[in-house]
Amino acid sequence: DAKTTQPNSMESNEEEPVHLPCNHSTISGTDYIHWYRQLPSQGPEYVIHGLTSNVNNRMASLAIAEDRKSSTLILHRATLRDAAVYYCILNAGNNRKLIWGLGTSLAVNP
Amino acid sequence: EAGVAQSPRYKIIEKRQSVAFWCNPISGHATLYWYQQILGQGPKLLIQFQNNGVVDDSQLPKDRFSAERLKGVDSTLKIQPAKLEDSAVYLCASSRFGSYEQYFGPGTRLTVT
Repeated sequence: DAKTTQPNSMESNEEEPVHLPCNHSTISGTDYIHWYRQLPSQGPEYVIHGLTSNVNNRMASLAIAEDRKSSTLILHRATLRDAAVYYCILNAGNNRKLIWGLGTSLAVNP
Repeated sequence: EAGVAQSPRYKIIEKRQSVAFWCNPISGHATLYWYQQILGQGPKLLIQFQNNGVVDDSQLPKDRFSAERLKGVDSTLKIQPAKLEDSAVYLCASSRFGSYEQYFGPGTRLTVT
């Protein structure tokens, strides 16, 4: 299974944009890039996913590098509620199995 | 729509005892997942059901863990006998057939003493 590398922790200020990086240099052509987040004491929550093109939804944007070896999750205006562990996950197009890493713990300062 | 329901929320047992967890997925979701999340780590998939059939149970310790999904709706996960290293949060998730978006329940925190 392809692996991802994320910083252990990041910090942001409220109402500022946050860019969460993810490296996946061994990604294959059929691997989708998924982002989930987990708030304290809760189950994970789907954020966004993409294959090649950048993606936007109401929660965030996903910017995928042209060579697909890295991606960035963008939170446009961080709020205190965005403090969570963010997981970047790859899986093959025909396999819904997600292999989770350690994620990035995001702290948001008021 | 109602979310994924799990019970109990917390359970404390002694090693070598048995325990069972229950999950009710979102109505109409064909796929159901059980994950184990040890403190400080990401979730690890234990078993995946498609309706009432097993799709993947490669990481389920089958000598002590079992799971079933009768009638393709509710599911139970059982541990018998429990070990200290089974202390973790057990998460249930469900998704629509063919969808990547998984919806998670709040989890059951198991402590084995």
